[in-house]
Amino acid sequence: AQSVSQHNHHVILSEAASLELGCNYSYGGTVNLFWYVQYPGQHLQLLLKYFSGDPLVKGIKGFEAEFIKSKFSFNLRKPSVQWSDTAEYFCAVFSGGYNKLIFGAGTRLAVHP
Amino acid sequence: DAGVTQSPTHLIKTRGQQVTLRCSPISGHKSVSWYQQVLGQGPQFIFQYYEKEERGRGNFPDRFSARQFPNYSSELNVNALLLGDSALYLCASSAGQGVRQPQHFGDGTRLSIL
Repeated sequence: AQSVSQHNHHVILSEAASLELGCNYSYGGTVNLFWYVQYPGQHLQLLLKYFSGDPLVKGIKGFEAEFIKSKFSFNLRKPSVQWSDTAEYFCAVFSGGYNKLIFGAGTRLAVHP
Repeated sequence: DAGVTQSPTHLIKTRGQQVTLRCSPISGHKSVSWYQQVLGQGPQFIFQYYEKEERGRGNFPDRFSARQFPNYSSELNVNALLLGDSALYLCASSAGQGVRQPQHFGDGTRLSIL
């Protein structure tokens, strides 16, 4: 069965620091990967997605992620975080056949001014 | 445009009771999926409905059921509530089936079981 692991449960950074959140998935075939973000008091929003092609994908708000097939990874990065990036971040893989997303446990990011 | 709307926002029930949660998808969206998010975990897939038919079911007991109406709104029912059913229940809608149809999430219904 497909699964997603996010190894960092809590991350604390200062503004302007660089961010990298880890995501590993278990499925060895064709994968479709997502990062979602949940800001405090708001609903889940799509940050970026990977279906195929260029393994470096860019999303909203300056986020990007790199798909590395050999490592089964899809890490999220941002060169310089802002206080407004404080949120919970979820990595997810799409399970084919129907609209099923398999989510990781999430990473809570706190950015201090 | 209105996003995905869920009602109620919060709900408190006791063990053994039954609950119905409601979801209105974005206008024009024909697919609705339900997820359970327990505190400290990511959302877990419960059901997907598309064109009023169940298209997918997650690993949840038969106490969980759902349906989709002709206007594409949906209800999630949970019978014989257990303490472990306390969670945030999320509804997501998309225009259709398949990975290239982005899913839009509602704010959720927080269910507390006493």
